[in-house]
Amino acid sequence: DAKTTQPPSMDCAEGRAANLPCNHSTISGNEYVYWYRQIHSQGPQYIIHGLKNNETNEMASLIITEDRKSSTLILPHATLRDTAVYYCIVRVANYGGSQGNLIFGKGTKLSVKP
Amino acid sequence: GAVVSQHPSWVICKSGTSVKIECRSLDFQATTMFWYRQFPKQSLMLMATSNEGSKATYEQGVEKDKFLINHASLTLSTLTVTSAHPEDSSFYICSASLDARGEQFFGPGTRLTVL
Repeated sequence: DAKTTQPPSMDCAEGRAANLPCNHSTISGNEYVYWYRQIHSQGPQYIIHGLKNNETNEMASLIITEDRKSSTLILPHATLRDTAVYYCIVRVANYGGSQGNLIFGKGTKLSVKP
Repeated sequence: GAVVSQHPSWVICKSGTSVKIECRSLDFQATTMFWYRQFPKQSLMLMATSNEGSKATYEQGVEKDKFLINHASLTLSTLTVTSAHPEDSSFYICSASLDARGEQFFGPGTRLTVL
């Protein structure tokens, strides 16, 4: 079972920031928070991951709470092409055996509207 | 980012036939590749994990004799659905892992329809 909970759906206006929350209250000390997204009928796309510090790349920012029990993915200026299902996954980063497997929950369906 | 391709992108076959799906890492060597299945309106479910040169590890409930996985090189893994039936119709997605970095890079998926 997925170790994260996410809202099933969210709407966002084009050009605005999209803030996608994720709860992972049972996260272990050696588990990272990963975010992927899946545009309809395509394979998932890696977005970002982090351990405890906030992370930023060209796609998004990841804000992890100090107790690491929740995080927020931020798309600073959402576009229509960001409409997708966003998956928050906790995973041991140094892959070895089944501990490194990605377990996909149901994710959040983000709809960016004009 | 790393690029993973799949072939074919879609396939339609008759019940009882076998279908082979290829997964290639185009610009990196993938020691580990993963195969997922996704039914309509559902999330991805891991089917098996394959390491180059060794037998695949199947998830519980996935029949290894029906879903044959071969990972003969660091850039190619194949999934063969043997004696396909309509209930095998699904979106099959592979991913490849860069061990040092940990991310899985996904292919575009293959949509299988069994008539």
